[in-house]
Amino acid sequence: GEDVEQSLFLSVREGDSSVINCTYTDSSSTYLYWYKQEPGAGLQLLTYIFSNMDMKQDQRLTVLLNKKDKHLSLRIADTQTGDSAIYFCAENINNAGNMLTFGGGTRLMVKP
Amino acid sequence: DVKVTQSSRYLVKRTGEKVFLECVQDMDHENMFWYRQDPGLGLRLIYFSYDVKMKEKGDIPEGYSVSREKKERFSLILESASTNQTSMYLCASSPGGDFTSGNTIYFGEGSWLTVV
Repeated sequence: GEDVEQSLFLSVREGDSSVINCTYTDSSSTYLYWYKQEPGAGLQLLTYIFSNMDMKQDQRLTVLLNKKDKHLSLRIADTQTGDSAIYFCAENINNAGNMLTFGGGTRLMVKP
Repeated sequence: DVKVTQSSRYLVKRTGEKVFLECVQDMDHENMFWYRQDPGLGLRLIYFSYDVKMKEKGDIPEGYSVSREKKERFSLILESASTNQTSMYLCASSPGGDFTSGNTIYFGEGSWLTVV
């Protein structure tokens, strides 16, 4: 079955780069997503990448996709305290229609 | 901007009570979803609906039912609340079609339910 895995926790200092990793199992995924959840709030879409791309950059965010290893990462440059949140990766699986499968979420803690 | 509104942010209910969680979206989306979120377990899909009066079970439908009488509104019902249903519940919606065109789903702020 489908499974999306992430480490539970990451701690970085303000100004450093953060790298959040995700592995997925379904090679037929066409889009992969990163969502951010701030404390007490719902999930907000941060960015997504199409499966035929290796990299996507959007300001401080860089998404890297290694399709061979089924590995997705989110790099946040110059991490700020406002980036402290839980980050979820999600994959869309072709044969599941409108469904996304989410990872368990990585809690990013940014220390001043 | 897409807006998904969950009517109750925080609820405390007693075991055995019937609980209604309401969700409204204002973007004429075909699809609506209910997830629950628990620490370490991520988001788990309870039910989703792809059209008015249509519903499909997700991964954990036991103990829940849903109602979609109008396109903009999707209700989650706990017929007889139990303590193991204490959780954060997230409603979401998405446009019609599948995600192969880059569509994604939009989430509400969440409803924290405590069953005592």
